[in-house]
Amino acid sequence: QSVLTQPPSVSGAPGQRVTISCTGSSSNIGAGYDVHWYQQLPGTAPKLLIYANTNRPSGVPDRFSGSKSGTSASLAITGLQAADEADYYCQSYDSSLGGPEFGTGTKLTVL
Amino acid sequence: QVQLVQSGSELKQPGASVKVSCKASGYTFTSYAMCWVRQAPGQGLQWMGWINTNTGKPTYAQGFTGRFVFSLDTSVITAYLQISSLKAEDTAVYYCARGKYCSSNSCYSDSWGQGTLVTVSS
Repeated sequence: QSVLTQPPSVSGAPGQRVTISCTGSSSNIGAGYDVHWYQQLPGTAPKLLIYANTNRPSGVPDRFSGSKSGTSASLAITGLQAADEADYYCQSYDSSLGGPEFGTGTKLTVL
Repeated sequence: QVQLVQSGSELKQPGASVKVSCKASGYTFTSYAMCWVRQAPGQGLQWMGWINTNTGKPTYAQGFTGRFVFSLDTSVITAYLQISSLKAEDTAVYYCARGKYCSSNSCYSDSWGQGTLVTVSS
């Protein structure tokens, strides 16, 4: 079981805003380590969405944004589109494990 | 553009070994780490570890020591994942991914291979 907990699923209607949480502890997010987010469309490889808490790689729409506070981080998606339907994973370093760890993953459904 | 092209699907018997390749192009191979990630059927992503493409030094995550070996052949700009003594629970898609800042506490992967399905079954 991962040390980073995400809700199993979230949903929203087209055009709405949704947030996905990533809850950690004092050995990972709470220790100040960066959080990164990935999007995995059905049947495809993951894609980097947000790195170092708030940064978007080139080509990622500004509808996607990341934030971090305390022992948690969040990914926000505004102007929800059908194409956003995917699994989303957070990732952070964990000092107890001595390496990076992925969150449990969240399935986003666009209603 | 950055590309990571992995070898094709494998069907192996329990106890056998498998070697997955990941050929890189479009960037300076030794300027980035190479990471490996496992995804069992219907499950989430598991960090397996990474290899320093300058020194060839591998770092394995907990749970991926012993039977898992990361290696390189820089002459053909390719990284490898070898798994020995395969078990049914090794059935998964294995991804290689270009890693940034992996020698620090902020390692992340900005480009991914297409994945290689390894099926272990008798």
